[in-house]
Amino acid sequence: KNEVEQSPQNLTAQEGEFITINCSYSVGISALHWLQQHPGGGIVSLFMLSSGKKKHGRLIATINIQEKHSSLHITASHPRDSAVYICAPSPGDTGNQFYFGTGTSLTVIP
Amino acid sequence: NAGVTQTPKFRVLKTGQSMTLLCAQDMNHEYMYWYRQDPGMGLRLIHYSVGEGTTAKGEVPDGYNVSRLKKQNFLLGLESAAPSQTSVYFCASSYVGHSSPLHFGNGTRLTVT
Repeated sequence: KNEVEQSPQNLTAQEGEFITINCSYSVGISALHWLQQHPGGGIVSLFMLSSGKKKHGRLIATINIQEKHSSLHITASHPRDSAVYICAPSPGDTGNQFYFGTGTSLTVIP
Repeated sequence: NAGVTQTPKFRVLKTGQSMTLLCAQDMNHEYMYWYRQDPGMGLRLIHYSVGEGTTAKGEVPDGYNVSRLKKQNFLLGLESAAPSQTSVYFCASSYVGHSSPLHFGNGTRLTVT
């Protein structure tokens, strides 16, 4: 079973393009996290949201709890945005705290 | 603050050997996790801890043991390494579980031959 589906799996964009990464999940959640994994392997948390929209610089994350869907948008993409973006919904119970998508690999070409 | 520190960064083991991975965090987080990451698969939870002295099994616990004797440290042990345990291992911590951001270590690349 796969509780989290991300699309697309791979994405190549020209610098400056607007990018959207989608995440659909099947579990009830209390929060959803977006993570960024750099080419060197390190993982950082970008957003944690439970409703609506959050914005940080050129990154915007939205979530629709009823539709069980979240999107990550990158405006004016830059080569330094090249990374794997991982969606991680959390049901909020004390067991498996997070489900992880397999990630969307983004390459931004200058 | 150093955040989450994992040691070692790389390790090669022969089948049957043992090793311990150390995770240390200086953020006073209650929750700590060990994940493994394999190609084409999402992060999978091995074991986790919700506080000092507590541990619990995750999705893929077989072949691993953990200990959390001090709040800031979470150790992952492999008693008898197998080639199937070749993976990249990540430690993470968070303040109150799902409702606070995850902080990751830089990972340990383990190869078992």
